[in-house]
Amino acid sequence: SQTIHQWPATLVQPVGSPLSLECTVEGTSNPNLYWYRQAAGRGLQLLFYSVGIGQISSEVPQNLSASRPQDRQFILSSKKLLLSDSGFYLCAWSVLGMAFFGQGTRLTVV
Amino acid sequence: AQSVTQPDIHITVSEGASLELRCNYSYGATPYLFWYVQSPGQGLQLLLKYFSGDTLVQGIKGFEAEFKRSQSSFNLRKPSVHWSDAAEYFCAVALNNAGNMLTFGGGTRLMVKP
Repeated sequence: SQTIHQWPATLVQPVGSPLSLECTVEGTSNPNLYWYRQAAGRGLQLLFYSVGIGQISSEVPQNLSASRPQDRQFILSSKKLLLSDSGFYLCAWSVLGMAFFGQGTRLTVV
Repeated sequence: AQSVTQPDIHITVSEGASLELRCNYSYGATPYLFWYVQSPGQGLQLLLKYFSGDTLVQGIKGFEAEFKRSQSSFNLRKPSVHWSDAAEYFCAVALNNAGNMLTFGGGTRLMVKP
């Protein structure tokens, strides 16, 4: 069966520090992968999606970036975090329109 | 562009009472429709989906949803709410089932009174 792993679960980072969140999927090939952000009390905002290795589409301009170095690996990065980057980050993969989510990373920028 | 609206940000119901969470979408054609549930600090879990066919779909945990084309709605219902149903619920649409990204509504937070 397919599983999705996302880590770390929580992260506290100072303003201006770099960020790297990793997501891996097991049990499927060539999945569509997504990064969403959920700010406190708000809905889900699609940040990036990828339909294949090295193929990244950005939905919202910001100081975040994403990379897909391997078929089942999706990385969310930032060179310098802002306070406004705090939130709950969710990785997901989809098949037949259905999305399956990781457990999320709670990022607090201080 | 497609959009999803969940008009109720918060809903409180008593345990055992019935529940209906509203979802309206805006799109030129019939999209693929989903409901997800999110417990605090957790990822999202798929409750049910509608692709085609019978407009009343059954999901997990006793939930069902009805697609009404004339109203562009996909409301989620449960006849009797349990305390464990307290969570945030998200309606979502996709253009097709080919893996296009989902567009989510803003979510409805459900609280259950004992």
